[in-house]
Amino acid sequence: DIQMTQSPSSLSASVGDRVTITCRASQSISRYLNWYQQKPGKAPNLLIYAASNLQSAVPSRFSGSGSETDFTLTISSLQPQDFATYYCQQSYNSPWTFGQGTKVEIK
Amino acid sequence: QLQLQESGPGLVKPSETLSLTCTVSGGSIRSSSYYWGWIRQPPGKGLEWIGSVYYSGSTNYNPSLKSRVTISVDTSKSQFSLKLSSVTTADTAVYYCARLGHCSGGSCLDYWGQGTLVTVSS
Repeated sequence: DIQMTQSPSSLSASVGDRVTITCRASQSISRYLNWYQQKPGKAPNLLIYAASNLQSAVPSRFSGSGSETDFTLTISSLQPQDFATYYCQQSYNSPWTFGQGTKVEIK
Repeated sequence: QLQLQESGPGLVKPSETLSLTCTVSGGSIRSSSYYWGWIRQPPGKGLEWIGSVYYSGSTNYNPSLKSRVTISVDTSKSQFSLKLSSVTTADTAVYYCARLGHCSGGSCLDYWGQGTLVTVSS
């Protein structure tokens, strides 16, 4: 199985901050990397697909980059509604695997 | 707007079989473009992909669960189902159904059900 490792596991930030979350794959996955946002008690919501493509209706302050083994999710200016847990997920090989999550908390 | 809704017992006894159904509305489960999948999340933990099914019945399972999992589809009811046998307390989780969309050559989980908590306990 391809292992996905996110860092950090959690972070504290203020509204307006620029936030960066990284995801590393245990082998090359080309650009088959998706990012999801999950709020407490809710299902995950797709933010970014294929490493850098913004899903419909997702605010432009979210962006993704990377390829092969190293990927980044950036929130350019953190908003109150962005406090949540973020997961990366690879769709290069079955079984699909997720990172362990990064919890973004209010500073 | 596509909607998915999980249903099934919220409590299952150890060694028994967990059975859940996902009902798809607002779109066709028979679309040749999509697979339909199950994902679970133990309380306070991360996400685990269980498996997926195509409208034709073709399946793909996570090897870690493959010996215990069956996913099937009933296109006449616009439903797909999950069965997980010989459950233990480690199978306690929120179970989500989702659509596997086409995303720039890859796949992504673009529509999700709200999730249903299944507790394994005697």
